[in-house]
Amino acid sequence: GAVVSQHPSRVICKSGTSVKIECRSLDFQATTMFWYRQFPKKSLMLMATSNEGSKATYEQGVEKDKFLINHASLTLSTLTVTSAHPEDSSFYICSAMGTGGGGYTFGSGTRLTVV
Amino acid sequence: AQSVAQPEDQVNVAEGNPLTVKCTYSVSGNPYLFWYVQYPNRGLQFLLKYITGDNLVKGSYGFEAEFNKSQTSFHLKKPSALVSDSALYFCAVRDGGGGNKLTFGTGTQLKVEL
Repeated sequence: GAVVSQHPSRVICKSGTSVKIECRSLDFQATTMFWYRQFPKKSLMLMATSNEGSKATYEQGVEKDKFLINHASLTLSTLTVTSAHPEDSSFYICSAMGTGGGGYTFGSGTRLTVV
Repeated sequence: AQSVAQPEDQVNVAEGNPLTVKCTYSVSGNPYLFWYVQYPNRGLQFLLKYITGDNLVKGSYGFEAEFNKSQTSFHLKKPSALVSDSALYFCAVRDGGGGNKLTFGTGTQLKVEL
């Protein structure tokens, strides 16, 4: 079945630095990728939607200059948290939709801790 | 706008007993409905989906869900719960009339005890 690889699974960074999270579709072409943020024991909050080769569409309230999303190929999307602060600490999950359009495959998530 | 409600934060059930995790939805078009399970510090695993066809959908690990259009519900069920089913369960909806964004419910923590 469809597999999405997300890494790193865990990252600790210092305040003010930037962190990049990668999401790769291993055996299918992901025309659309979604980035979510999940707070402890809470639902997934959609941050942005990205289509290959075009700019990401951010949800209301998500700072696009802080959370940079790149979807340069049909198999890779990246989320860069710039100038990270402790309040950015969270669990980030990506999801990919293939050309068929019906299903969503999720990455295993990245636990970001900003100290 | 589309929305999903999972009215129970937690469901407790004894192993071997049937389980139900509730979900109701609201969309303007035809609903595409999904159930996912999440284990601690992991991504979401797909259980089942309803897009069209038979109202009773069978999915992974013995789970099933019934689409009820009149009640706008899509409850997740399993005839006999296992301790290993203990996890966080999310219901999600997508408006089949357009767009591809999934909207998630708040999640229900299932605890299966011996």
